[in-house]
Order: sequence, then structure tokens, then C-alpha cells
Amino acid sequence: DAGVIQSPRHEVTEMGQEVTLRCKPISGHDYLFWYRQTMMRGLELLIYFNNNVPIDDSGMPEDRFSAKMPNASFSTLKIQPSEPRDSAVYFCASSLGRGKLFFGSGTQLSVL
Amino acid sequence: GNSVTQMEGPVTLSEEAFLTINCTYTATGYPSLFWYVQYPGEGLQLLLKATKADDKGSNKGFEATYRKETTSFHLEKGSVQVSDSAVYFCALIHSNSGYALNFGKGTSLLVTP
Repeated sequence: DAGVIQSPRHEVTEMGQEVTLRCKPISGHDYLFWYRQTMMRGLELLIYFNNNVPIDDSGMPEDRFSAKMPNASFSTLKIQPSEPRDSAVYFCASSLGRGKLFFGSGTQLSVL
Repeated sequence: GNSVTQMEGPVTLSEEAFLTINCTYTATGYPSLFWYVQYPGEGLQLLLKATKADDKGSNKGFEATYRKETTSFHLEKGSVQVSDSAVYFCALIHSNSGYALNFGKGTSLLVTP
């Protein structure tokens, strides 16, 4: 298996633009997580899904952030409009059962 | 709520030195505890875990023991290598938080030859 695949690896955009991050989880995994990593706040859980259904989105910073999982093999995290404070590394992870998360390589987002 | 506190980094050691990275947690009952490692430019990988008190997790020469009495899960390695240079994250999962891992802020380790 190729592992969790995220795209793009790097994204540079201007403030106000829409940003879409993509994730393909490991086949057969029933949980999908979106995390954000910054120096100041460390790793923050944004949202997670079970069987494509959002379970907890309490970590989503504000209405500018939205996440979808239309099927078991694909998820998106969208920021609209983007702001400089959204600059971070965004990780997608998937798991089968509790605890052992498999992480993607992340998307480095820079909002200018 | 549930939380994890790790020692601040960065930690710099010479090759073959002994490593300890402290981790303490706050949670009711018995969470499961984990150490994840992040190598430069990569996502996190599970290093080891322990699911109940007094369990010892081990992998690649690293060990950590789940101490309920001190609410700790310190990571140790007897002899570090340059290839161990990475960021190490302590984490917990608890039934009252569903399937979401709570991570510490991470401790950066640099091992020099």
C-alpha cells in the first residue's frame, strides 16, 4: 500500500484565495483525521471522520474552514478565504481502530 | 480535559548517549499512551504504545513504561544514533475523547557524531 497520500506537498497562495487540500487514506481504513501543525500550537486536531461521516469538528478554527469526505478513498479540507495566520503544515491521517494513526507527508501551506 | 505535557526541546546529545524525554499526562481513568516520531519532511509514525498501567512499550531500542502513579510515560533509549534525530511526540487516547489522539507539543532531538 502506498500509505496516506496528500496533495499538494506545498501550496503558496495570496490572502483571500481559496485553498483546497486533498487526502487519500489507506484502503480499508475507516477513520480519517485532519491535523494542523504550527510552531506555536503544535499539532491540533481539526476534524475527524468515521465511515465518511464527520464525528468531531470542534477543532475547525472558524467558518472559513470546511472538510468533506464524499467517499472512503478521498477527503478535502478547504479554506475560503485564506489568511496569513492559516500558514501551517496540514496533515491527514487514517486508521483502522484506535490509536495507530498513519500520517501522510503533509501539505506545507503559505498564505502571503 | 485530557492533555499531554512534554519536556521542552531541543535536546542535543552525542552519539551513544542515554536519552530520556519526559512526558506526563492529565486524564481520568486509564487512557492509552503513545510515542510518535517525525523525521524531517515527513509525517508522524507510531514508535511505541502502552494501553494499561505498568505496560512497557518498546521498538527500535526505545522504551517507555506507563506509570499510573506518576501519570508519566517517559521515553528512553540507552544509546542514541545520529539517525534518531527527529521530533518526538507523546500522545494519549481516551474513550471519553472518541478516537482522537491528543498530542504533546513535541520534543526535538538532535544527535551529533
